[in-house]
Amino acid sequence: GAGVSQSPSNKVTEKGKDVELRCDPISGHTALYWYRQSLGQGLEFLIYFQGNSAPDKSGLPSDRFSAERTGGSVSTLTIQRTQQEDSAVYLCASSLGGPGADSPLHFGNGTRLTVT
Amino acid sequence: GNSVTQMEGPVTLSEEAFLTINCTYTATGYPSLFWYVQYPGEGLQLLLKATKADDKGSNKGFEATYRKETTSFHLEKGSVQVSDSAVYFCALSGVAGKSTFGDGTTLTVKP
Repeated sequence: GAGVSQSPSNKVTEKGKDVELRCDPISGHTALYWYRQSLGQGLEFLIYFQGNSAPDKSGLPSDRFSAERTGGSVSTLTIQRTQQEDSAVYLCASSLGGPGADSPLHFGNGTRLTVT
Repeated sequence: GNSVTQMEGPVTLSEEAFLTINCTYTATGYPSLFWYVQYPGEGLQLLLKATKADDKGSNKGFEATYRKETTSFHLEKGSVQVSDSAVYFCALSGVAGKSTFGDGTTLTVKP
């Protein structure tokens, strides 16, 4: 079946512009994550959605970052007034989720964001 | 909160060498444990998992045993190949379902 789909795969934007990154999770997966991976670095947790619960936004680096998940499915990560340090690969992942679940994460191929 | 600590890299080995990448964790309750792998130019994918103490996860010649007494989940392979060169991430899934990742360990295998 279809995996996690992210778009666009690449995005080049000028400093100060807003960008929207989209994630379409696997159908039926209740948990959705956004991570950021800078060149040669590990995974930086950004935000976590679980079902209809309020999202865990503890990883968002600044108030320029926001995310929403509509209808428990598609998610959009928005970065306002982009800065050069926002350049990274933004990864989305989904899982069956739920308390006590041992389901692994399924990752998309990411969106490579370059801020010039 | 939950945390995962991985052996710092990078790790460079010759082909057919024995591999160990250490991973320890801190968590409340009884998490499930995972190793993910990211091959060059590819996305992250699950390598193996273990859901309870003393479970051994295995895949592609890699193994890891869930050790509750030492809160560890070390990744091992008896004989690495060049194609195993990748970044390896240890992770746990906590009781609330949220996953926590380590920083990743880069493995390079030379012929």
